[in-house]
Amino acid sequence: DGGITQSPKYLFRKEGQNVTLSCEQNLNHDAMYWYRQDPGQGLRLIYYSQIVNDFQKGDIAEGYSVSREKKESFPLTVTSAQKNPTAFYLCASSTWTGDVYEQYFGPGTRLTVT
Amino acid sequence: AQTVTQSQPEMSVQEAETVTLSCTYDTSESDYYLFWYKQPPSRQMILVIRQEAYKQQNATENRFSVNFQKAAKSFSLKISDSQLGDAAMYFCAYRGYNNNDMRFGAGTRLTVKP
Repeated sequence: DGGITQSPKYLFRKEGQNVTLSCEQNLNHDAMYWYRQDPGQGLRLIYYSQIVNDFQKGDIAEGYSVSREKKESFPLTVTSAQKNPTAFYLCASSTWTGDVYEQYFGPGTRLTVT
Repeated sequence: AQTVTQSQPEMSVQEAETVTLSCTYDTSESDYYLFWYKQPPSRQMILVIRQEAYKQQNATENRFSVNFQKAAKSFSLKISDSQLGDAAMYFCAYRGYNNNDMRFGAGTRLTVKP
């Protein structure tokens, strides 16, 4: 089955620790994205990558880092510098199909930092 | 920057009835895409419907249709014959033709009453 996988579904960490969230896609999409979702708010863009070995900051990149060494993978590291890391994190990938833009999401990872 | 506004934090509808969710957006671009995503309790983001701004005809997907008013920058979602499974958070999203990311509204929580 083609799709986007994120693991784990739930993640718990102590304050001060870095943590890496996994995102893998087998859709052969070039672009990948990381969003953060907080209660009562829509999704906010953290980082995105249009091609391998290239990525750009989104609106709320501070305290986060990413890498894009393979087309299929776009891991997100939440560093200890992120002031309020507890949130729901969604990974997405996108493609153009003719004149249509499509973006698909993974199932998400709920991160709790205490 | 483009903004997306969903003015209804919560809506409810009786099963089998029709409900309309509102969305407005702000942009200076002429070419763009608009989306409605559904997020059920599983938190998986599911694409409901998509509208290309250059198309005058309103998009329709089975029981879901949109009322796209380009001049008014309005993009409402109509759900006909509401079903219990329609209960979810609904997010309106905007993507500029040459942009690299989507902008999301804060969401509308839809409750379906049996």
